[in-house]
Amino acid sequence: NAGVTQTPKFQVLKTGQSMTLQCAQDMNHNSMYWYRQDPGMGLRLIYYSASEGTTDKGEVPNGYNVSRLNKREFSLRLESAAPSQTSVYFCASTLTGSNEQFFGPGTRLTVL
Amino acid sequence: GENVEQHPSTLSVQEGDSAVIKCTYSDSASNYFPWYKQELGKRPQLIIDIRSNVGEKKDQRIAVTLNKTAKHFSLHITETQPEDSAVYFCALLGGGYQKVTFGTGTKLQVIP
Repeated sequence: NAGVTQTPKFQVLKTGQSMTLQCAQDMNHNSMYWYRQDPGMGLRLIYYSASEGTTDKGEVPNGYNVSRLNKREFSLRLESAAPSQTSVYFCASTLTGSNEQFFGPGTRLTVL
Repeated sequence: GENVEQHPSTLSVQEGDSAVIKCTYSDSASNYFPWYKQELGKRPQLIIDIRSNVGEKKDQRIAVTLNKTAKHFSLHITETQPEDSAVYFCALLGGGYQKVTFGTGTKLQVIP
């Protein structure tokens, strides 16, 4: 099993550009999450999906949209990137009833 | 949302000494308290967790204690080794759906 995978690993955008971060898991997990990690601020939840077909806002959803394409895939979209969105983005998944979060390798995004 | 405070933000110990990291929270409905370890440039990984009906849990050199009355939980690492050097995050799961709130992290340095 590949576990949780994310693409791309690195990305540089200019202010105003758009892009989609991809996440996929092959562990048959029900719940998926997107976090951003900034120095000194830990991991903050952007959006999550409790199950296929549902999405909900987390702590810092402004400027982002998500799509739970199917049970395996959960994408994060930045419609108009801003320098404040420079961060490391982690996708994670959880099997219902387990609580343990499995993280992807992360995407380092820089917005100039 | 749920708030969790983590201290200290940095911790240096000599190899072989013990390290203790403490987290406090406010929501008495919180019922699951995991600890994640993140090595430099890597993804966070679960190292130990505890549920609200248990006061202490050990796994070799690491242990977690929970004081529900005082609303704090701590990670204890004994006989520290250089490979324990990493950032450690406490987290908790509230009474609602599977949304995990993370602390701001503790950078542990074990000096050989």
